[in-house]
Amino acid sequence: AQSVTQPDIHITVSEGASLELRCNYSYGATPYLFWYVQSPGQGLQLLLKYFSGDTLVQGIKGFEAEFKRSQSSFNLRKPSVHWSDAAEYFCAVGATGGFKTIFGAGTRLFVKA
Amino acid sequence: DARVTQTPRHKVTEMGQEVTMRCQPILGHNTVFWYRQTMMQGLELLAYFRNRAPLDDSGMPKDRFSAEMPDATLATLKIQPSEPRDSAVYFCASGLDRSTDTQYFGPGTRLTVL
Repeated sequence: AQSVTQPDIHITVSEGASLELRCNYSYGATPYLFWYVQSPGQGLQLLLKYFSGDTLVQGIKGFEAEFKRSQSSFNLRKPSVHWSDAAEYFCAVGATGGFKTIFGAGTRLFVKA
Repeated sequence: DARVTQTPRHKVTEMGQEVTMRCQPILGHNTVFWYRQTMMQGLELLAYFRNRAPLDDSGMPKDRFSAEMPDATLATLKIQPSEPRDSAVYFCASGLDRSTDTQYFGPGTRLTVL
């Protein structure tokens, strides 16, 4: 069965610093991977997704993620964090031919001035 | 700008009362998902529909929760009777046909059961 682990419950970074949020997945075949962001009081919004091809995926708001099959990881990165990036970030995996997407527990990002 | 709408945005009710939450998926989307989010449990999938038919509602407490899609433009989630432990934010999301597709989330209904 597919599963997603986000090892960090919360992370604090300084504004302007780089960011990496970790995500590990478990799935037997090639997974379909997503990163969503949830700002306070709002629903989740897609940042980026990976299906196939180039393992470095660009998303909105300056985010990117890299798929590493050997490490079963799909880490999210941003070179310079802005205060408006403070939110909760969810990694998710979808199964080929299925309908259900499995979400990780989320990582809450705090940005300090 | 197509988006998922949910009503009400906030609901405060007393234990034992019936609660109905509504969701209008994005036109043309044929999958609809209901999630519950709490601090303790995170994001939990309650039920989902494809072409208005329920595919999986194993995440829902069957004795008090029910989910339906009376038509393609309306999904409902009902709790009867409500209990304080049902207090949470309930999200509806819609998408196209597969789990490989993006899910578009509504703003949520924040439910408080006293």
